This record gives sequence, C-alpha cells and structure tokens, in this order.
Amino acid sequence: KAGVTQTPRYLIKTRGQQVTLSCSPISGHRSVSWYQQTPGQGLQFLFEYFSETQRNKGNFPGRFSGRQFSNSRSEMNVSTLELGDSALYLCASSENGEYGYTFGSGTRLTVV
Amino acid sequence: TQLLEQSPQFLSIQEGENLTVYCNSSSVFSSLQWYRQEPGEGPVLLVTVVTGGEVKKLKRLTFQFGDARKDSSLHITAAQPGDTGLYLCAGRTPPSNTGKLIFGQGTTLQVKP
Repeated sequence: KAGVTQTPRYLIKTRGQQVTLSCSPISGHRSVSWYQQTPGQGLQFLFEYFSETQRNKGNFPGRFSGRQFSNSRSEMNVSTLELGDSALYLCASSENGEYGYTFGSGTRLTVV
Repeated sequence: TQLLEQSPQFLSIQEGENLTVYCNSSSVFSSLQWYRQEPGEGPVLLVTVVTGGEVKKLKRLTFQFGDARKDSSLHITAAQPGDTGLYLCAGRTPPSNTGKLIFGQGTTLQVKP
C-alpha cells in the first residue's frame, strides 16, 4: 500500500509570492489534515478535510487555504508569503479522521 | 487554548537505561497518540490510547493514558541507539471522529552506545 505522498519535497519562494503544496493520501483514506512544523512552535494544526469538506480549521490567517478533491487528494495554498511561513508542511491521512494518522514526509518551504 | 505540555524536552542517556516521557494537559482528550519522528521525515504513529487508564505495550515501550484522559506517559525500558529520535504526543479533541490533533512540543531522545 503506497504511503502519503507530498510534492514537492523542497521549495524556495520569495516573500510576497504564493505557493501550492500537494498531498496524495493513502488509497481509501477520506480524511486529510495539514500541519505546519517549526522549531519554535512545533507541530500546529492548519485544517482538516473530509470528503471534500473542510471539517476543522486551526488558528492561521486567511492566507492559508486548502481544498480536497473527489479522489481525496488535497492541496494547500499560502498567498503573500512571509519569512515566518518557512516551515515543514506535513500532510496526514486517515480513513475517517478517528484514531491515528499516517503522515507524509513533508514539504520543506523556505521563504527568502 | 488547549495545550499539551511534554517533558522533558531533551534527554540524553546511555544504552540500557530506562526513561519516561510525560505529556500533560488541563484538557480532556478523546484519544491520545504517540508518534516518533526522524529528521527530514514525517511523524510515524506508535500507538493510540483511547480509554482512561489504558496501558499499551509495544516491545520495550509502554504507553499509559491517565484515568481522566488529560495526561499520558511513554516509558522505554533498556533504551537502544535505534530509539533515538523525536517523540511527540498528540491529543485529539472531542468529538472523536472530528476535531484536530494538538501536539506537544516533543522530546528529543538521544541514546548513546
């Protein structure tokens, strides 16, 4: 069974630009969550999607958005990038959002 | 704001020693999970505990969920260099099938041969 695939693995963007990150969950998993990991703040919840609907949202500004497609693949978008958005962005999938998640390897975003 | 306080933040021990990592909160969680993360990779789920007072064992690792479902501990017996990594606890807020995972800050464990 293929794991959670995140693309790209590494990304360098300039302040003010926007970025789109992609996540392909494990086949059959309908819940996809996104997390931001930084050395100072640790892992922080961004949002969760289930069957194309946003089911939960963390405390991030509106510049952070996401969506989920009918095949459960998900994307997250960050507009007007700031230096503080530099982080490892992790996607995690689960069958229904209950219990444990399987995480991808993440996308390392660097904003310069 | 729900917080999970994890301690200690750093732990450096010799091979063969025992250790315990604690995860505490003032909030009740519907379940609590423990993950291990290697550098450059995503966290890998070790265990999920759901019932207050529950104890689960995974080889040399013992996980416990507090009776009130507000705290948890991870105990490693006879640590080995292969146990080195970042250990994260994560609580799921009620209701159990939605909600978000609240992560602790993590415990960086180094086991020296």
